[in-house]
Formats: sequence, C-alpha cells, structure tokens
Amino acid sequence: ETGVTQTPRHLVMGMTNKKSLKCEQHLGHNAMYWYKQSAKKPLELMFVYNFKEQTENNSVPSRFSPECPNSSHLFLHLHTLQPEDSALYLCASSQELLDPSYEQYFGPGTRLTVT
Amino acid sequence: AQKITQTQPGMFVQEKEAVTLDCTYDTSDPSYGLFWYKQPSSGEMIFLIYQGSYDQQNATEGRYSLNFQKARKSANLVISASQLGDSAMYFCAMREKSTGGFKTIFGAGTRLFVKA
Repeated sequence: ETGVTQTPRHLVMGMTNKKSLKCEQHLGHNAMYWYKQSAKKPLELMFVYNFKEQTENNSVPSRFSPECPNSSHLFLHLHTLQPEDSALYLCASSQELLDPSYEQYFGPGTRLTVT
Repeated sequence: AQKITQTQPGMFVQEKEAVTLDCTYDTSDPSYGLFWYKQPSSGEMIFLIYQGSYDQQNATEGRYSLNFQKARKSANLVISASQLGDSAMYFCAMREKSTGGFKTIFGAGTRLFVKA
C-alpha cells in the first residue's frame, strides 16, 4: 500500500448507528487531517493531529469523535449523525505543521450517507 | 471575509488550448504557501503545484504554472495544452499560520471541462 488509504469507501448508516472511518498513511508523515466535503461548499477542515496530538478542532459537533493512536493512523468515530452530515470525508497527511511549503496528500475519501 | 476566492464556478476549454483558473487570497501574514489541487470525479485530491510567499519566480510543474502576483494577492493556475483528462475540479488553497502550526484553507473550486 502506498500513499493515503481510507476505509470504507462508501458507508450508509442510520441516525442511531455507530460507525468508524479509518485512515492510514504510508508516507512517514507526522500531521494528519480530517476534512468534510459537502456539495457546493468549500472543503471544511474538521480536525488536525500533529505527532498524535490534536492541534485543531474546528468547532465540530461532538457526534464526530477523532482518534489518532499513532502518526500513521487516524479514525473518525461517528454516532447519532444527522442527514446533513452526509458528505465526502477526506483524510490527508503532510510532513508536519510548522512549514508552509508542505503539501497535503489526500486519501480517496469515504462517501457517507446518513438515512 | 473569504480567505480564498475562486470566482469561476465552471470553465470550458478546447483540447490543446491553454486555460487560466483564477484565485485570489487574503492574508496579513508574510509567510504563507499557495497550492493548487485537482479533484477528478473519483474524489481524490491531487497536489499540482506550490508557490511560497517569498518565492521570486513563478512556480512551474510540467504543463502547470502558477501566475503569482503578490501585490494583487492573486495566484492563478495556468494549464497549457489542455487534455481531456484535465477535466476535473480545481481547488486553490493557502497555508497560513494558525495556533499549533500552519493551516490550509481551500477555495470553493472551479470545475474545468475540456472539450474534444
């Protein structure tokens, strides 16, 4: 496996379910990110982790709970979601946070539908 | 106020011609980075090109070049010799200082259609 992988690629869940999204990067990066991409809206940053520590929570509702057990893995735990949470969830990684020149590498995304 | 503005929701270009996608940004930080990403229909965001705020020369990567006009705060992407595979969403992004490090902010995107 190379780059950034995300599983599952598609997920349909009811509002009372609990599910988790998984992201793994094989690039040796130290920073990882969760983004939400809804139709006709700019990419929204949700969470940022640097060396496993959360450095940013962009006012995300508590029904989204991130977890970063190590620099290579990032999870997004979902519970009691709303239909408006249906979107493409993108994971990304970058070398680190302290330099403006590092580009982000993105996974293919998880297409989430909340019914 | 919008930090990154892409004023063209959609653009059409004839195959083999050049096209310019507009991007303006807003920051008071002297140190920042500007990026362009491509998102095909498959969903994955692909890094195309980077321009640093202190770079004197415009960045180029193959058929992609970035027209950086610092005083006007614009960072337009130029794609030369368009190909059918260039049809995708294109996002301009800026990496600027935030608590804990640099944060990336994305524009709303421009959808490019390449016509045969």
